[in-house]
Amino acid sequence: GAGVSQSPSNKVTEKGKDVELRCDPISGHTALYWYRQSLGQGLEFLIYFQGNSAPDKSGLPSDRFSAERTGGSVSTLTIQRTQQEDSAVYLCASSFPLAGGITDTQYFGPGTRLTVL
Amino acid sequence: RKEVEQDPGPFNVPEGATVAFNCTYSNSASQSFFWYRQDCRKEPKLLMSVYSSGNEDGRFTAQLNRASQYISLLIRDSKLSDSATYLCVVKGMNTGFQKLVFGTGTRLLVSP
Repeated sequence: GAGVSQSPSNKVTEKGKDVELRCDPISGHTALYWYRQSLGQGLEFLIYFQGNSAPDKSGLPSDRFSAERTGGSVSTLTIQRTQQEDSAVYLCASSFPLAGGITDTQYFGPGTRLTVL
Repeated sequence: RKEVEQDPGPFNVPEGATVAFNCTYSNSASQSFFWYRQDCRKEPKLLMSVYSSGNEDGRFTAQLNRASQYISLLIRDSKLSDSATYLCVVKGMNTGFQKLVFGTGTRLLVSP
């Protein structure tokens, strides 16, 4: 079946512009995560959606970052007034949570490589 | 101190060699542990979970030492295709959900 898809695969933008990154999770997966990975760094958690619950935004680095998940499926990560330090690969993952709040294996999309000039 | 620490490498080994990676984690309340593999410019993929009793999957063996907060991955009979970055991942509670914390990865290069 189809995996997690993300678009665009690459995005080059100028400092100060807004960008939107899209994630299509695996069908039926109710949990969705956004991470970013800077060059030579580990994955940094950004935000988590689970069903209709309020998202966990504890990883968002600033108020320039926001994310939505409409209809419990597709998610959009928006970065306003981009800065050069926002340059990274933004990865989306989805999973099907097990009982008791335990999350099952996370499946990652191919990522969006964002370059802010 | 980082929550999950790994030796970044790179580890350069010949085909057929045995190589071991180590990882330490700081949160003693961590509940689950994994190794993910990430190929160059690709997304991470689950390699294997790590259980307290140790577990093996073909040429790969993972072990956990909760007392020392230490995780290891052993690869036997290395193949060229094993060349990748290996990410140590720890799962712990974060505001009501189980959050994955990734190490920065250990890079492995297997040469002919």
